[in-house]
Amino acid sequence: SQTIHQWPATLVQPVGSPLSLECTVEGTSNPNLYWYRQAAGRGLQLLFYSVGIGQISSEVPQNLSASRPQDRQFILSSKKLLLSDSGFYLCAWSVSPGLGAPDTQYFGPGTRLTVL
Amino acid sequence: AQKVTQAQTEISVVEKEDVTLDCVYETRDTTYYLFWYKQPPSGELVFLIRRNSFDEQNEISGRYSWNFQKSTSSFNFTITASQVVDSAVYFCALSEAGTGRRALTFGSGTRLQVQP
Repeated sequence: SQTIHQWPATLVQPVGSPLSLECTVEGTSNPNLYWYRQAAGRGLQLLFYSVGIGQISSEVPQNLSASRPQDRQFILSSKKLLLSDSGFYLCAWSVSPGLGAPDTQYFGPGTRLTVL
Repeated sequence: AQKVTQAQTEISVVEKEDVTLDCVYETRDTTYYLFWYKQPPSGELVFLIRRNSFDEQNEISGRYSWNFQKSTSSFNFTITASQVVDSAVYFCALSEAGTGRRALTFGSGTRLQVQP
């Protein structure tokens, strides 16, 4: 069966510090991978998604970046964190069953980031 | 552009009451998919159901049921005989097939509190 891992689970960082959040998926190959952010008490906002190694699509321009160095690894980074980067970061995976068919996304446990 | 509206920010019920969570969506695509996710206090999003735009048949799974009506662009979720364990934030989401963009557009969520 497939599992998705995220770490760290919680993180407290000062403003201006770098960030690296990691997401890995097991039990599947060539998944679509996604990074979402959930601000306190709000819905989920898609940040990045990837359909393959080295292929990253950005949804919202900001000081965050994403990379996919391996098939089942997705990394969210920042060179300098802002206060507004605080939130709950969720990674998700899906497998495309075919052209036009729906992807069901399955989410990881999330990383709670507090920027002080 | 696609949009999902969950007008109910928070609902509080007493155990064993029935409760309906509303979801209204907007899309220009003729083929799309609708989802419901549950987010318990732990934070991880749990997939509940996926429906295709060409299948308006309602679905029941135990105490959960979903009412999909294209005429009103709604995909409502009913919990029968609610239990304390149902307390969570519930998200409705939309995915459009025609654009090739596989990401989900989420509503802002409805927080359900079930009191014992």
